Amino acid sequence: DIQMTQSPSSLFASVGERVTINCRASQTINSYLNWYQQKPGQAPKLLIYGVSTLQSGVPSRFSGSGSGTDFTLTISSLHPEDFATYYCQQSFSSLYTFGQGTKLEIK
Amino acid sequence: EVQLLESGGGLVQPGGSLRLSCAASGFTFSSHAMSWVRQAPGKGLEWVSTITGSGGGSYYADSVKGRFTISRDNSKNTLYLQMNSLRAEDTAVYYCARETLRIFGVVTIDYWGQGTLVTVSS
Repeated sequence: DIQMTQSPSSLFASVGERVTINCRASQTINSYLNWYQQKPGQAPKLLIYGVSTLQSGVPSRFSGSGSGTDFTLTISSLHPEDFATYYCQQSFSSLYTFGQGTKLEIK
Repeated sequence: EVQLLESGGGLVQPGGSLRLSCAASGFTFSSHAMSWVRQAPGKGLEWVSTITGSGGGSYYADSVKGRFTISRDNSKNTLYLQMNSLRAEDTAVYYCARETLRIFGVVTIDYWGQGTLVTVSS
């Protein structure tokens, strides 16, 4: 199975700050990389697919980059509603796997 | 509006069985693969199983293979997960989720239900 490893596991930041979350795959997954946001008590929400394409309705302060095995989610300027847990997920293999999550908290 | 409504969760003893259902509406059900994803209390997301739109193909995580069976009834717009030989580590919120095939073959899980809690305990 393809393992997905996110870093950091938790992150403290302030409103207006730029943050970056990393995701590494245990083997190349080409561009089959998606990002999800989950807030407490809610279902996950698709943010970005195919490494860098924003899902409809997602603010442009979110962006994704990377290729092969290393990928990044960037939030250019944090808004209060962005404090949540973020997960990467690979769909290169039919046996999907998620990263362990990165919890973004207010500093 | 896409809606996914899970049901069937509850408390079950170790070794027991449970069947989850997910009623889908607001889209052409048979055109989409569907998945189950679970989340243990305070933990991250774990993909469990996927079934193709026709129901002709299915995939399972190693952790549930041989114990869980995914199925669908396209005439009823309903997805199922039959869970047998349940273990304490199967305790989780189970989400029903819709998949969409995007450009260049990228698959996304683009709609999620609100989840149903399964607790395996004696």
